[in-house]
Amino acid sequence: GAGVSQSPSNKVTEKGKDVELRCDPISGHTALYWYRQSLGQGLEFLIYFQGNSAPDKSGLPSDRFSAERTGGSVSTLTIQRTQQEDSAVYLCASSFTGRSTDTQYFGPGTRLTVL
Amino acid sequence: AQKITQTQPGMFVQEKEAVTLDCTYDTSDPSYGLFWYKQPSSGEMIFLIYQGSYDQQNATEGRYSLNFQKARKSANLVISASQLGDSALYFCAMRERDRDDKIIFGKGTRLHILP
Repeated sequence: GAGVSQSPSNKVTEKGKDVELRCDPISGHTALYWYRQSLGQGLEFLIYFQGNSAPDKSGLPSDRFSAERTGGSVSTLTIQRTQQEDSAVYLCASSFTGRSTDTQYFGPGTRLTVL
Repeated sequence: AQKITQTQPGMFVQEKEAVTLDCTYDTSDPSYGLFWYKQPSSGEMIFLIYQGSYDQQNATEGRYSLNFQKARKSANLVISASQLGDSALYFCAMRERDRDDKIIFGKGTRLHILP
């Protein structure tokens, strides 16, 4: 079956502009996660959606970051007034449930470059 | 304190040799899951293997096995008969039952397989 997909694969933007990153999780997966990976670094958790529950936003680095998940499926991560330090690869993952034993499957990522 | 520690930032291994990637973790939660992911130069995160804290046997998946030493809080990845295609960044990760909304990643080990 289809895996997690993300779009765009690459995004170059100017400082101060807003960007939207999209994630399509695996069909039937109730949990969806956003991570950020800076060059040569590990993954930094951003936000987590589980079913219809309120999302866990504890990882969002500032109020310029927001995310929504419509209809329990597709998610959009929005970064307002982008800064150069926002440049990173943004990875989306989904899992069947949010249980600790569930494997997260990752999308290919969106590489964001802020000039 | 770091939750996941990978002490080897980089490793060079001759093709066909076995390789062990180290991972230690820190948790007080009795229920947790341990994961290994591979990230090749293409950037995608590929799930390799999973070990549950209550699993009696070490997990194995093809050439991958997880050397789980619970008392030492160690979850090393062993790759047998390494191949050139194994060259990648490898991440150890953990999910805890009491914090099952996010997965915590180590900083990764970059493995280079030499011909």
